[in-house]
Amino acid sequence: DAMVIQNPRYQVTQFGKPVTLSCSQTLNHNVMYWYQQKSSQAPKLLFHYYDKDFNNEADTPDNFQSRRPNTSFCFLDIRSPGLGDAAMYLCATSRDVLGRVVAGEQFFGPGTRLTVL
Amino acid sequence: AQSVTQLGSHVSVSEGALVLLRCNYSSSVPPYLFWYVQYPNQGLQLLLKYTTGATLVKGINGFEAEFKKSETSFHLTKPSAHMSDAAEYFCAVSEVGKLQFGAGTQVVVTP
Repeated sequence: DAMVIQNPRYQVTQFGKPVTLSCSQTLNHNVMYWYQQKSSQAPKLLFHYYDKDFNNEADTPDNFQSRRPNTSFCFLDIRSPGLGDAAMYLCATSRDVLGRVVAGEQFFGPGTRLTVL
Repeated sequence: AQSVTQLGSHVSVSEGALVLLRCNYSSSVPPYLFWYVQYPNQGLQLLLKYTTGATLVKGINGFEAEFKKSETSFHLTKPSAHMSDAAEYFCAVSEVGKLQFGAGTQVVVTP
C-alpha cells in the first residue's frame, strides 16, 4: 500500500544534542510537510517543500532545518533541541495539481514522538 | 487569511447517540474543507473533504458533513456513536500551499 513512513516512531535525545527525524513516502507526491504537534493542540506547520522549493513558516525557529534529497525522502533536523521542542512531529504529503492555488488533501505519517531529556 | 473555529474542545457522547462536531470557517475564496481524525499516538487520517459539487459529503466510518456557505459552516455528524469513535477531530480549511487547522475537538464515548 502507498503510504507515508516515519522513523523512528519514538526518539529520545538529550538537551542540545542534534537529532534528525526522517520521513519517506511511496505516494510520489510533490509536496511534503513537517508539522509540530504538542499535547492537545492542533498541528503547527513548520515548513514544506513544493517539489525542491523550500518554504519556511515565518515563526519557525532557526533551530529547525529540513532537507529533501529526492521526491521520496524528507528530513527534519533539530540542531540544538530544547525542552520546549518535545512534541509529536508529523510528516505529510500531498499531490498539488492546481499550481499552488489551493492546498488539497494531505496524507499523514504516524508521527515521531520526540522526548528531550 | 483563512481561519477555522471548532466549537467545544471536548465533547462527551453516549454510545449509540448522535455525534455532532461544529466547525465554522472564514475564507476569502471558495474553500476546500476537511475533517481529520487522530487516534492517540498516531497521525491524522482524512475522514472526508469538500471541494466542489454536492454539499453533503459522506466519509469513512459513517461520518458525514454538510457545507453551508450561508452559515460558513462544515459540521461533522454521525448518527450513532461507537466506542471506536473516541479520538481527536480536526477541521481544516485550505489556503495557498497549506491547510489551516482548527484547535480540535476531543470526543469521549461513554457506554
